[in-house]
Amino acid sequence: QKEVEQNSGPLSVPEGAIASLNCTYSDRGSQSFFWYRQYSGKSPELIMSIYSNGDKEDGRFTAQLNKASQYVSLLIRDSQPSDSATYLCAVGLDDMRFGAGTRLTVKP
Amino acid sequence: ETGVTQTPRHLVMGMTNKKSLKCEQHLGHNAMYWYKQSAKKPLELMFVYNFKEQTENNSVPSRFSPECPNSSHLFLHLHTLQPEDSALYLCASSQWHSQNTEAFFGQGTRLTVV
Repeated sequence: QKEVEQNSGPLSVPEGAIASLNCTYSDRGSQSFFWYRQYSGKSPELIMSIYSNGDKEDGRFTAQLNKASQYVSLLIRDSQPSDSATYLCAVGLDDMRFGAGTRLTVKP
Repeated sequence: ETGVTQTPRHLVMGMTNKKSLKCEQHLGHNAMYWYKQSAKKPLELMFVYNFKEQTENNSVPSRFSPECPNSSHLFLHLHTLQPEDSALYLCASSQWHSQNTEAFFGQGTRLTVV
């Protein structure tokens, strides 16, 4: 069974701080990793994808991948109240599996 | 219309009813998926269709029956459901075996079984 684990939170950070979200996965053969954001009552939307070890930056978001440790993380710099949402880690390509999500609250 | 469209957005059905969920994608993708999202549980992959062929069925009970008549349309036929089947059902589409593509989700159908 391919599993994806996330801390469910809630994670609360003040506005302007760095939010750090973590994810581990069980399938060593996984090659594709994604972070989705889901606002309450809405469907998930992709914010980052990463395929190689190391860091990938896109604006205020940085995804980090360590395949040896089977670990992927998402950093959100200068957190804004509008970043408050549930962040879903997803692993795989044609059979994408999701973690349970981490609920992030950014307090003004 | 663009993106992935699901209908209905909300559905309440009795345990003896038969209903269908519909999904349509306008993105030119060739793979479509059904996911189930229950409270405080991970998104569960239910069915995967690639070029209209079902490639995955994650031990989903037979009271859920998928249908994919073409690469743009996906249905989920429901019959004799249980209250624990109440959840948000999400459809997604992507380009099969293409690493540099994302899965796009529809807005979901909120299903309540009474």
